[in-house]
Amino acid sequence: AQKVTQAQTEISVVEKEDVTLDCVYETRDTTYYLFWYKQPPSGELVFLIRRNSFDEQNEISGRYSWNFQKSTSSFNFTITASQVVDSAVYFCALSEAPGGGADGLTFGKGTHLIIQP
Amino acid sequence: DVKVTQSSRYLVKRTGEKVFLECVQDMDHENMFWYRQDPGLGLRLIYFSYDVKMKEKGDIPEGYSVSREKKERFSLILESASTNQTSMYLCASSLNRDSRTDTQYFGPGTRLTVL
Repeated sequence: AQKVTQAQTEISVVEKEDVTLDCVYETRDTTYYLFWYKQPPSGELVFLIRRNSFDEQNEISGRYSWNFQKSTSSFNFTITASQVVDSAVYFCALSEAPGGGADGLTFGKGTHLIIQP
Repeated sequence: DVKVTQSSRYLVKRTGEKVFLECVQDMDHENMFWYRQDPGLGLRLIYFSYDVKMKEKGDIPEGYSVSREKKERFSLILESASTNQTSMYLCASSLNRDSRTDTQYFGPGTRLTVL
């Protein structure tokens, strides 16, 4: 069975600090897909990134970066120089389907990130 | 841009009522999904559908049914609403189950309160 663990329920930092959100996953498949979504106070989940298990390259997009490590089954998300607009609940998710997001996603319970001005 | 819309942002119903939650996507996606989100539990999959008139149970289908008569529309039905179905309901869609670049896109959610 697949499982996603986000051990940090809530993180609070001051603006401009760097912050890392942890994600640890469990799966028996050798091919799988990992995702991060952002849920701002408005409620809509916004897709941030998709990573395939066969691609261990880290990814950087502006202030966002992701560190994928198969050896530790982790897919951590770092925000550099955080801003108040980054305040949201962040979800890590896993899919074992060959089609990536074509079957249901298994979500972690989310990390509530609070950026204080 | 992918657009997933849900018929209501907020809904209040009484115990025992039949409730319909509607979801529409405008990108010709084959796959559609219903999740519920509860504090401390994250998102859990209720039902999903690969094609018109096809449906598959997710992790928590009890108390729910679905309907997909048209490709763009996926309805979640609570036959007899109960207070433990008070939750945020999120609809999602994705292009194609065989696509290696597939990603689920979500609607804005419907916050349902059952009194």
